[in-house]
Amino acid sequence: LAKTTQPISMDSYEGQEVNITCSHNNIATNDYITWYQQFPSQGPRFIIQGYKTKVTNEVASLFIPADRKSSTLSLPRVSLSDTAVYYCLVGDGMDSSYKLIFGSGTRLLVRP
Amino acid sequence: DVKVTQSSRYLVKRTGEKVFLECVQDMDHENMFWYRQDPGLGLRLIYFSYDVKMKEKGDIPEGYSVSREKKERFSLILESASTNQTSMYLCASSPRGTDTEAFFGQGTRLTVV
Repeated sequence: LAKTTQPISMDSYEGQEVNITCSHNNIATNDYITWYQQFPSQGPRFIIQGYKTKVTNEVASLFIPADRKSSTLSLPRVSLSDTAVYYCLVGDGMDSSYKLIFGSGTRLLVRP
Repeated sequence: DVKVTQSSRYLVKRTGEKVFLECVQDMDHENMFWYRQDPGLGLRLIYFSYDVKMKEKGDIPEGYSVSREKKERFSLILESASTNQTSMYLCASSPRGTDTEAFFGQGTRLTVV
């Protein structure tokens, strides 16, 4: 299972763009990259998933370079409500032994 | 609206009691997971199941067992509750396939006294 490494915490201000990078040097060919967001006292919530290049949805963008050894979650114009913990996961969902293993995540604090 | 439902939001049990935490999903997902989350330790996987009657240990299975008799239901069992099992317990489900979006329940805050 590919291990991921993320910064422990990040600070930002309202209205700024936030980029959180995740390192996954041992990612396998069939692995997808998935990001989750967690607020206090709630379960994690899916944000975005990608395999290569760039994926964008109404919440975020995910940038994946050609070697796929890292990925960057981009949150445009953050607000106070984006203060949360963000987790990066990699894995192959077709594999029946695929486990959802969460690392330590990145604690994002958005200040006024 | 997809849903993962955990049987209790808050639970208080005595040391030595047998405790059942129930989780039901209505999305016909193959995979189901049980986690505990403690301050400073993140989400730790206890057990997961990729099919009915199938189960695999996660990172911290000691003191726990699971049961999956039906596809939609995944139960976590504390055979003899101890105070160090006081925690927030989260259940999740996900489909098998390239789209691995997982859905989480609201969590059960268990206190063992």
